[in-house]
Amino acid sequence: GAVVSQHPSRVICKSGTSVKIECRSLDFQATTMFWYRQFPKKSLMLMATSNEGSKATYEQGVEKDKFLINHASLTLSTLTVTSAHPEDSSFYICSARSGPLNTEAFFGQGTRLTVV
Amino acid sequence: AQSVAQPEDQVNVAEGNPLTVKCTYSVSGNPYLFWYVQYPNRGLQFLLKYITGDNLVKGSYGFEAEFNKSQTSFHLKKPSALVSDSALYFCAVRDYGQNFVFGPGTRLSVLP
Repeated sequence: GAVVSQHPSRVICKSGTSVKIECRSLDFQATTMFWYRQFPKKSLMLMATSNEGSKATYEQGVEKDKFLINHASLTLSTLTVTSAHPEDSSFYICSARSGPLNTEAFFGQGTRLTVV
Repeated sequence: AQSVAQPEDQVNVAEGNPLTVKCTYSVSGNPYLFWYVQYPNRGLQFLLKYITGDNLVKGSYGFEAEFNKSQTSFHLKKPSALVSDSALYFCAVRDYGQNFVFGPGTRLSVLP
C-alpha cells in the first residue's frame, strides 16, 4: 500500500515554544491530508482537513491559531503547534488518501508530543 | 450524521481461538466501512474495507469482516487468534466529506 511518513516520531519541547510536525506522502500525491489527535486510550479526533494550495478546514473547537496547518505541496502537509502548553501533549497522527472516496486512507506513524 | 459504535472496550481471547471484534454503524447512504489496527505508539494500519460486493471481506493478517446491512454491522473476525494480534482495533466509516469517522476502539488481548 501507499506510504505516509510522519516526522518526528517523538518530540519533547518546553512550554511556550512551537513544534512543527511533517506529514509526507512518499509514493503518491495527496490533495487532501487529515490531522488527528489521539488522547490516551481514546479514539482519534479529527482536528483539521488540509487541502493543498488552500486553507485548512478546522473542526469545531480546534484553535486554528494554535494549530497551524500548511499544505504547500501535493506530498507535504505540516502541523505547527504554536506556544505549546502541557495540555497540548498528545499523540498526533496524519493521514492521506491516494484515490477516490472508496479507497482507504494511509496513516503516518504518529508523533508523540510532550510539552514540559 | 455518520457514527460508529464498538460496544466492547476490551476483548480477551485465548491464542488459537476464534476472535470477533464488533462494530455497528449509522450512515445515511451506502456505507464505506473500514477496519484499522493500531500498535502502541504507532499510526493506524489498514486491515480491510467494504465498499460493495460480497458481504464477507478478507483482509490482511488473516482477518475478515462480514457486512450485514440489516443489522448495520461490520464485525471483524479471525478464525485463530495469535498473541501478536493483541492491539487496538478501530472500525471506521467514511462520510461524504471524505473524513473518516472512527469508533472508540476495542483493545484486543490474545492470551498465550
